[in-house]
Amino acid sequence: EAQVTQNPRYLITVTGKKLTVTCSQNMNHEYMSWYRQDPGLGLRQIYYSMNVEVTDKGDVPEGYKVSRKEKRNFPLILESPSPNQTSLYFCASSLEVTGTQYFGPGTRLTVL
Amino acid sequence: GENVEQHPSTLSVQEGDSAVIKCTYSDSASNYFPWYKQELGKRPQLIIDIRSNVGEKKDQRIAVTLNKTAKHFSLHITETQPEDSAVYFCASPDAGGTSYGKLTFGQGTILTVHP
Repeated sequence: EAQVTQNPRYLITVTGKKLTVTCSQNMNHEYMSWYRQDPGLGLRQIYYSMNVEVTDKGDVPEGYKVSRKEKRNFPLILESPSPNQTSLYFCASSLEVTGTQYFGPGTRLTVL
Repeated sequence: GENVEQHPSTLSVQEGDSAVIKCTYSDSASNYFPWYKQELGKRPQLIIDIRSNVGEKKDQRIAVTLNKTAKHFSLHITETQPEDSAVYFCASPDAGGTSYGKLTFGQGTILTVHP
């Protein structure tokens, strides 16, 4: 089954404790991206990747890192999480940026 | 980079009425305009998209129109049903330059269809 998976689905952590949210797709998509969703602000792009080893900043990259060592995986790293990073995070993939974005199920992160 | 504005932020209609949501964009070279629907507690899913070489696209009760001169595109839902209640997002990718690949979403419209 074609899908985008994210883990964990829910996470409560404390300020400053490094964490990684994994994202994996099995559709051989070249384009992958991360979004955060906050009430009233819609979906804001954090980072995107056009292909392996190619990553770029979206609109809200501060406090986040990503890597794209393999085509299928695009982890999101928060090296020192802060409470303002409490949000719902979505990973998405597509064949290209001008194509259907397939979203993962979301990760609800709370930083205390 | 691309700037996308979406209106209204909330829309309430009676079942059977039509609903229209509008988005404006800033990059005149933009060429792809999708609409996503997000039901409560679910992930966003594409419902319809349009490319810049056409002015309108329909799929049953939903349609998207594009006005490239005015730089806006709209989602039209006819004969609304309660299951159309959701948050709707428009989006537009940066057309080129150093930010090619960046995808900007609108702020979302909460559509409520009352039975």
